[in-house]
Amino acid sequence: GAVVSQHPSRVICKSGTSVKIECRSLDFQATTMFWYRQFPKQSLMLMATSNEGSKATYEQGVEKDKFLINHASLTLSTLTVTSAHPEDSSFYICSATGGADYEQYFGPGTRLTVT
Amino acid sequence: GESVGLHLPTLSVQEGDNSIINCAYSNSASDYFIWYKQESGKGPQFIIDIRSNMDKRQGQRVTVLLNKTVKHLSLQIAATQPGDSAVYFCAENKDDYKLSFGAGTTVTVRA
Repeated sequence: GAVVSQHPSRVICKSGTSVKIECRSLDFQATTMFWYRQFPKQSLMLMATSNEGSKATYEQGVEKDKFLINHASLTLSTLTVTSAHPEDSSFYICSATGGADYEQYFGPGTRLTVT
Repeated sequence: GESVGLHLPTLSVQEGDNSIINCAYSNSASDYFIWYKQESGKGPQFIIDIRSNMDKRQGQRVTVLLNKTVKHLSLQIAATQPGDSAVYFCAENKDDYKLSFGAGTTVTVRA
């Protein structure tokens, strides 16, 4: 089956620093990748959609300069949280689709803690 | 606001009983619905999906029912097991490949 990995699984960083999270599709080419954020006991909220080779599309209220997304290849998308603050602490989850159908394959998530 | 929501935030079920998790959606144009299971600290896991041209779909121990008239989706789990304890989310496809998730129902299985 389709496998999506994320790295790192957990990261702690200091306020004001930047953190990069990687999302990889391991056994298929992902034409589209999605980034979600999930706060404790809440649902997944879509942050942005990224298509390989083009700029990401951000959902309303998500700052594109703060959450930099790069989808440089068909198997890798990265999310960089710039100048992180404690309120950015969250569970970040990516998903990928191969484009043949609507099914999204989810990564295991990255727990970000900003101190 | 969210176009997909769940009626109950928690569900406690005796091991061996059947579970029913409900979801309401508001976008009548949505044509694809999915149920996900999320265990603590993990990403969502696909359970079952259904397209709007169907009203029922069965998988292994799970059944999804879609009632387009009242915009209601449900997930039935047969013979619930301790490993079924998790948060369950319904999601709808709104636009291209984007998914909108409901609030989630926490299912706790009692031994």
